[in-house]
Amino acid sequence: GAGVSQTPSNKVTEKGKYVELRCDPISGHTALYWYRQSLGQGPEFLIYFQGTGAADDSGLPNDRFFAVRPEGSVSTLKIQRTERGDSAVYLCASSTQQGGNEQFFGPGTRLTVL
Amino acid sequence: GENVEQHPSTLSVQEGDSAVIKCTYSDSASNYFPWYKQELGKRPQLIIDIRSNVGEKKDQRIAVTLNKTAKHFSLHITETQPEDSAVYFCAASINDYKLSFGAGTTVTVRA
Repeated sequence: GAGVSQTPSNKVTEKGKYVELRCDPISGHTALYWYRQSLGQGPEFLIYFQGTGAADDSGLPNDRFFAVRPEGSVSTLKIQRTERGDSAVYLCASSTQQGGNEQFFGPGTRLTVL
Repeated sequence: GENVEQHPSTLSVQEGDSAVIKCTYSDSASNYFPWYKQELGKRPQLIIDIRSNVGEKKDQRIAVTLNKTAKHFSLHITETQPEDSAVYFCAASINDYKLSFGAGTTVTVRA
């Protein structure tokens, strides 16, 4: 079946602009995760959804970052007033449920803030 | 929070030789340790994982060992092949969902 998909694959924006990054998890996966991966580093946890609710948003760096999952499927990561330091690959993952089940990653969105 | 250190950062091995990557973690409550492989420009993919109640797990040419006392775990790849060339990430989790990743090891298998 289809894996996790993310759109867009690349996003170039100017400092101060607003961006939205979309994640389509594997059908039936109730858990959804957002990570950020900077060049040469491992993914860094941002937020975790169980169903529609954000169960843990402790990784969001500041209040410019926000994520939603209104129907328990597709999720959108929103970044306001982008800064050059936000440039990274944003990865989405999903799993069948919390509990150490494999997290399946999407291909990521490469965000470049000029 | 959890801090995961990974060594070495780069590893070059001759085809057919073994490769070993080591990770340490800081939080003794961590109970889940997955390893991900990421080929250039592609998504991370799980290759093997281990839970804290198990000391060793093997899947064909790859194996993972866990030492809870020392808080370290290792990935072993035997009989390396060119397709094993990739970046490998270890991770640890105390709650089964928030993965804390190491910085990665770039493995190059020389033909």
